[in-house]
Amino acid sequence: DTAVSQTPKYLVTQMGNDKSIKCEQNLGHDTMYWYKQDSKKFLKIMFSYNNKELIINETVPNRFSPKSPDKAHLNLHINSLELGDSAVYFCASSQVRDRGPVNEQFFGPGTRLTVL
Amino acid sequence: GENVEQHPSTLSVQEGDSAVIKCTYSDSASNYFPWYKQELGKRPQLIIDIRSNVGKKKDQRIAVTLNKTAKHFSLHITETQPEDSAVYFCAASRREAAGNKLTFGGGTRVLVKP
Repeated sequence: DTAVSQTPKYLVTQMGNDKSIKCEQNLGHDTMYWYKQDSKKFLKIMFSYNNKELIINETVPNRFSPKSPDKAHLNLHINSLELGDSAVYFCASSQVRDRGPVNEQFFGPGTRLTVL
Repeated sequence: GENVEQHPSTLSVQEGDSAVIKCTYSDSASNYFPWYKQELGKRPQLIIDIRSNVGKKKDQRIAVTLNKTAKHFSLHITETQPEDSAVYFCAASRREAAGNKLTFGGGTRVLVKP
């Protein structure tokens, strides 16, 4: 009955490789997000998708490409990995109703990416 | 864009004492202010939130206050317990076209000493 799940939990890879992180939510939410948490614990939004449509793209390098096959899934593909990409990546979801209030975002367990 | 500042970055308190964390935000259009608790190696979890039409909200030992004029909000934890030890994040958000981007503060590492 996990609300927001991510795979893998840990990812260790070499510089220059391409990798993907998968996220799924079973809350019926229509909006999903990717956040990056760096080594100093700072949390910053990367992307947001609403009903499979990209809504927010926070000047992330185009080596990062999110893909949303359906409302319940938001995957993150990273090309040509660099040392600075090492971080914990969190997926989140929320329900965004037209003209409605801002609602709570539920976070996944995170994926710790280490680039060697 | 929105900018959220959070202080202090670390806070050490004796069990039973109170802890206060303060945040300021820059965008006067922000209207939703959640607080997340993140234990070591775990995901951020919402502990309390407040909307701009409310000045204060309380849930058991946790309370949040909001001063819209001054653009700052605070988290108060009373009767702290060792399990309150974690990193706490404030955030600010506003309703946008089809999403609500959370802008987080830098986090406060709280240590409750038994």
